Amino acid sequence: GDSVTQMEGPVTLSEEAFLTINCTYTATGYPSLFWYVQYPGEGLQLLLKATKADDKGSNKGFEATYRKETTSFHLEKGSVQVSDSAVYFCALVSGGTSYGKLTFGQGTILTVHP
Amino acid sequence: EAEVAQSPRYKITEKSQAVAFWCDPISGHATLYWYRQILGQGPELLVQFQDESVVDDSQLPKDRFSAERLKGVDSTLKIQPAELGDSAMYLCASRSTGTSNTGELFFGEGSRLTVL
Repeated sequence: GDSVTQMEGPVTLSEEAFLTINCTYTATGYPSLFWYVQYPGEGLQLLLKATKADDKGSNKGFEATYRKETTSFHLEKGSVQVSDSAVYFCALVSGGTSYGKLTFGQGTILTVHP
Repeated sequence: EAEVAQSPRYKITEKSQAVAFWCDPISGHATLYWYRQILGQGPELLVQFQDESVVDDSQLPKDRFSAERLKGVDSTLKIQPAELGDSAMYLCASRSTGTSNTGELFFGEGSRLTVL
């Protein structure tokens, strides 16, 4: 079945540091890939997405590139802020389904210190 | 801005009691999901509706959990009897049928259940 594996966490950084959160996946067909973010006390929000190989999703300074050859979708940001502190989830929708079921990774807690 | 509404935000109950959660999706969204998120883990799908029909409940513990969406709009998830291991965040999400299977899911703020 489909699965998503995120890097072990949590991640603690100083403000303006470079961020990478690794994500790899296993899926049938050609999945669409997503990063969701969950701020403290809030629901999940879509951060960015990519629907085909070599697509780059970007939003709020975050980027991730769909790498089919390495089955990866790593999240990056060049300069993090305290307000980026949250839990980040990598997720996929398998291309074989018509109903859009999301499969999530386990999440990575990011804490950014001033 | 349209949102997915969930209630209650927090629920504390004793084991063996019954609990219920309610979700009102974004207007016009035909697909509705219930996910369970155990602390420190990613959300796992419990049940998925297309209009009023269940299309996936393979991970729903049917001996104690039930879900319905009678008129294809709002939905209720029930647990009876609750067990200690049911303590988790229960998330509702919805998606428009006008969106392809690569479309975004919109999540509510969740209902946090604590079973004592």
